[in-house]
Amino acid sequence: EAGVVQSPRYKIIEKKQPVAFWCNPISGHNTLYWYLQNLGQGPELLIRYENEEAVDDSQLPKDRFSAERLKGVDSTLKIQPAELGDSAVYLCASSLRQGSTDTQYFGPGTRLTVL
Amino acid sequence: GNSVTQMEGPVTLSEEAFLTINCTYTATGYPSLFWYVQYPGEGLQLLLKATKADDKGSNKGFEATYRKETTSFHLEKGSVQVSDSAVYFCALPIQGAQKLVFGQGTRLTINP
Repeated sequence: EAGVVQSPRYKIIEKKQPVAFWCNPISGHNTLYWYLQNLGQGPELLIRYENEEAVDDSQLPKDRFSAERLKGVDSTLKIQPAELGDSAVYLCASSLRQGSTDTQYFGPGTRLTVL
Repeated sequence: GNSVTQMEGPVTLSEEAFLTINCTYTATGYPSLFWYVQYPGEGLQLLLKATKADDKGSNKGFEATYRKETTSFHLEKGSVQVSDSAVYFCALPIQGAQKLVFGQGTRLTINP
């Protein structure tokens, strides 16, 4: 079974430029998550989707971040414009909603460097 | 709310040494508990989990027991290998939300 796929793996941009990350979850997983991981820290949730619906985006900085999950499968996370402080690893995860707590499976992440 | 406190690192051991990485939690009820591992340059991989009190999760020689009396979920391995060098994260869900809260991570280095 293929895991969570993310692209690109690495991205270097200049500040004020836009950037987008793509995620393809595990087949059949209806829940998709985007996490932010700063250097030396654990991941923090940005947004969670149940199928096409964003059910928890309370930690997403909506002035510059946006996300979509069309057709309830792939998802894209966008930053526009990027700031120096956005340099981090952006992780996508997916799970199959079966009970009160699902096991989340993570992709390899996209490492963003903003210069 | 639910939270997790993890042993600070970094931890450096010799090959074949015994490993313990401490994790304690604060939670309402008895949520599932997880250990994730992150190898250099990679995303998080689920290492093991326990879904209820007194459960023992195990994988790749690692074990952790869900202990409600001490609110702990310590990670152990009897004989570590160089390939175990990675960052280890303890995690649990926030009550009422499908959202994991992670510890700060413990960086483990195993020397040959």
